[in-house]
Amino acid sequence: GENVGLHLPTLSVQEGDNSIINCAYSNSASDYFIWYKQESGKGPQFIIDIRSNMDKRQGQRVTVLLNKTVKHLSLQIAATQPGDSAVYFCAENMNSDYKLSFGAGTTVTVRA
Amino acid sequence: KAGVTQTPRYLIKTRGQQVTLSCSPISGHRSVSWYQQTPGQGLQFLFEYFSETQRNKGNFPGRFSGRQFSNSRSEMNVSTLELGDSALYLCASRGDYEQYFGPGTRLTVT
Repeated sequence: GENVGLHLPTLSVQEGDNSIINCAYSNSASDYFIWYKQESGKGPQFIIDIRSNMDKRQGQRVTVLLNKTVKHLSLQIAATQPGDSAVYFCAENMNSDYKLSFGAGTTVTVRA
Repeated sequence: KAGVTQTPRYLIKTRGQQVTLSCSPISGHRSVSWYQQTPGQGLQFLFEYFSETQRNKGNFPGRFSGRQFSNSRSEMNVSTLELGDSALYLCASRGDYEQYFGPGTRLTVT
C-alpha cells in the first residue's frame, strides 16, 4: 500500500502491510503540521504532529515525514490494522495564525 | 481529562431560521476554534477564540458568528440559515499547539 510522493483520495491496503499517505501543503511559511484520522460519524482524532524544524517524528506505529523543499508531508502506518480504516487529513498551521488549513483527505480501506 | 464536548449532536432546521451550537473545550484549554465540514469543501476554518476574544476569522459571511465565555465554553450562531449551511460543525480545543476536536454537530437545513 505505498504511493510515495503522490496524493491519492483513496488507498486500499492489505492488513499487516505498511501504509503511506501523502499530502502536499500550500504555504511555505507554515511551521506546524498535524495528521488527523476521522472515522465515520466522529470528529477528527489527533494522530501525530511535527514542527518545521524537524523532518521526521515517530509515534506508536506511525511516522510523519516532512520535506520542506517540496512542501510535502507523509504519514506512514506500520502493520496496518482494520481499525486504521478511516479518512486521514493533513493540516498546516502558521504559529502566528491560529487556524488550521486542511488537505482534501485520503480514505484508507484495510483489506482483511 | 474529558474531551471536547459539543451540543447538540444533531439538529434539523428550516431555511431562514437561526441556530446556536455549543462547545465545551478540554479543561484548561483557553483556545476554541470552529470548523465547517462538507463533502464538497472539506474542512474549513470559521473562527478562533482565546480568552473571550476572536483572534482569527475565516472566509465566511457575517451570518456566522461566535463568542466565548469566561469559562472558555464557546457558542457559534448561524442566522438566516441557507440550504448550503448543512454541514458537520466541529469545535477544536487547543492547548499549546495540538488541536483536539469534538464529535461535531450535524446540522441539516431543509
